[in-house]
Amino acid sequence: QVTLRESGPALVKPTQTLTLTCTFSGFSLNNNGMCVTWIRQPPGKALEWLALIDWDDDKYFSSSLRTRLTISKDTSKNQVVLTMTNMDPADTATYFCARTPKYTSSWSGIDSWGQGTLVTVSS
Amino acid sequence: DIQMTQSPSSLFASVGDRVTITCRASQSIGHLLSWYQQKSGQVPKLLIEDASSLQSGVPLRFHGSGSGAEFTLTISSLQPADFATYFCQQTYSTPLTFGPGTTLYIK
Repeated sequence: QVTLRESGPALVKPTQTLTLTCTFSGFSLNNNGMCVTWIRQPPGKALEWLALIDWDDDKYFSSSLRTRLTISKDTSKNQVVLTMTNMDPADTATYFCARTPKYTSSWSGIDSWGQGTLVTVSS
Repeated sequence: DIQMTQSPSSLFASVGDRVTITCRASQSIGHLLSWYQQKSGQVPKLLIEDASSLQSGVPLRFHGSGSGAEFTLTISSLQPADFATYFCQQTYSTPLTFGPGTTLYIK
């Protein structure tokens, strides 16, 4: 059974850096085709794709947020960490981590999601 | 980046109705499109990937079609559980962008 769980602060101040950890089980990022994605959703709004890291440590980012994001993995701990710098109230959202397999030359749909963690940016 | 649009943004329908949601990509993405259902307060659920491949356990009343840059999600006979927001996502190239969503309301 695949599970993912996000952890991190519920509240950050403007200009601070957000660090979120995704702890997963049921699959390994050592295995070909496995990828973990971060997605966010402001209250009442659409999903926004943020970043992805794959089994080969290749990393992909949202074009609009590229300069503010980093993503890394610790396969020994089954964790993926996302950092976002210079947080702003507009970054208030629920942040999800999820599994995005890549079994062929293209990505599959997101087949497993964490429950999400609400991050509020406010002074 | 590939931009995704959806129409309509909201839709009022009744139980038993047949509804169709359209998703368009700003360029051809082949068949690399997924559909998700998100109920209020819940996590999105993958319904369909590769434009028409129904996920295990998803009712057969959900049908996805299309290729290139235009795709549709059809629900053949709406059930109370289907009133939710639906998002499309292209999985052709990163960033793997989502559509803005279509919310289905009970008429």
